[in-house]
Amino acid sequence: EPEVTQTPSHQVTQMGQEVILRCVPISNHLYFYWYRQILGQKVEFLVSFYNNEISEKSEIFDDQFSVERPDGSNFTLKIRSTKLEDSAMYFCASRGGIQETQYFGPGTRLLVL
Amino acid sequence: RKEVEQDPGPFNVPEGATVAFNCTYSNSASQSFFWYRQDCRKEPKLLMSVYSSGNEDGRFTAQLNRASQYISLLIRDSKLSDSATYLCVVKKAGSQGNLIFGKGTKLSVKP
Repeated sequence: EPEVTQTPSHQVTQMGQEVILRCVPISNHLYFYWYRQILGQKVEFLVSFYNNEISEKSEIFDDQFSVERPDGSNFTLKIRSTKLEDSAMYFCASRGGIQETQYFGPGTRLLVL
Repeated sequence: RKEVEQDPGPFNVPEGATVAFNCTYSNSASQSFFWYRQDCRKEPKLLMSVYSSGNEDGRFTAQLNRASQYISLLIRDSKLSDSATYLCVVKKAGSQGNLIFGKGTKLSVKP
């Protein structure tokens, strides 16, 4: 069964450093998403991406965040200058064109020190 | 009012029990509803979509009441493997897939 993959599974970084989280969505999917989940809290939407551009973003997704689909298979989330409060699990998700079901990757656990 | 609200639990039930989870949502324009399950420190996984007519998948039954903005999930004959957090999820009205998650209801099924 096809699945969304994410790398790395864990990342530890110093405050102020840049991080890039990587995702490989399911191959024939068209819509891509990033969510985050701070420990003990609910899953929160960050951004959606379709047709090589951002289609929607939340208030959390400020100028420090960016997304890219550099090569037709990878989908990346960059945090330019990490803050302590960016520590969370980051999930990538994708869905096909018609169906509404989003399939989530296993997540990247980011710890900012 | 929170966008998606759930009883956090925990629900501690014996194997074989029937358990029901409830959820309310604030935006009456919402059109798409889901139940996901999340195991500890893992990704959310779709359990089932929720349709207006109600739907059943084996031991799981989901119901939607649009007038009351209320969604439910019933699990019959609980198994140990059903232990997880159950997430009520609503797609934001008019969006291409901005999912709004509830905080989840934790279920623990004991032998």
